[in-house]
Amino acid sequence: GQQVMQIPQYQHVQEGEDFTTYCNSSTTLSNIQWYKQRPGGHPVFLIQLVKSGEVKKQKRLTFQFGEAKKNSSLHITATQTTDVGTYFCAGPKSGGYNKLIFGAGTRLAVHP
Amino acid sequence: NAGVTQTPKFQVLKTGQSMTLQCAQDMNHEYMSWYRQDPGMGLRLIHYSVGAGITDQGEVPNGYNVSRSTTEDFPLRLLSAAPSQTSVYFCASKRAGGGGGTDTQYFGPGTRLTVL
Repeated sequence: GQQVMQIPQYQHVQEGEDFTTYCNSSTTLSNIQWYKQRPGGHPVFLIQLVKSGEVKKQKRLTFQFGEAKKNSSLHITATQTTDVGTYFCAGPKSGGYNKLIFGAGTRLAVHP
Repeated sequence: NAGVTQTPKFQVLKTGQSMTLQCAQDMNHEYMSWYRQDPGMGLRLIHYSVGAGITDQGEVPNGYNVSRSTTEDFPLRLLSAAPSQTSVYFCASKRAGGGGGTDTQYFGPGTRLTVL
């Protein structure tokens, strides 16, 4: 079945280092969404990418959607302790626009 | 707006007990869903609804029932709890969409369920 995979599962960085998580889908996606979940919290929507090759920035976060619309990445420049959490990507299930399939997430730990 | 609310926050059940997890949203969203989150497995869709009176199964529906009598409420029922249902449960809502965009999905704070 349709799968969304994320790597790495876990990343430990020193504060100030950069961080990247990658998301790969087994099928072409009409769009991709990114969420952040703080420890003990709930997922919070960050952004949605729709166009092939799209790049969007939110302060230190840069999101990319691949040309083939099967992969995406989230890059954080100069991490801060407030970036700690798990980052999930999600894409709509084929034929079901309202059903999202989530990746397993990348857990980011930032040490001061 | 309160957004998406869930009760209870924590629950401990014994095997075989039944219970209902409550979810409500005040954003007039058509689409509501239930996910379970287990370590290392992300969020898996249990059931979803595209409007009052309409529900459908997600990836992992066995052992759970849902109903949608109003736009606001979407309760999740555990019929006979099993240890394998120990998890964190999230309810979510969004506007029903289609085509190139699916709109922002808002999550509730979650219910942490332990089945002994």
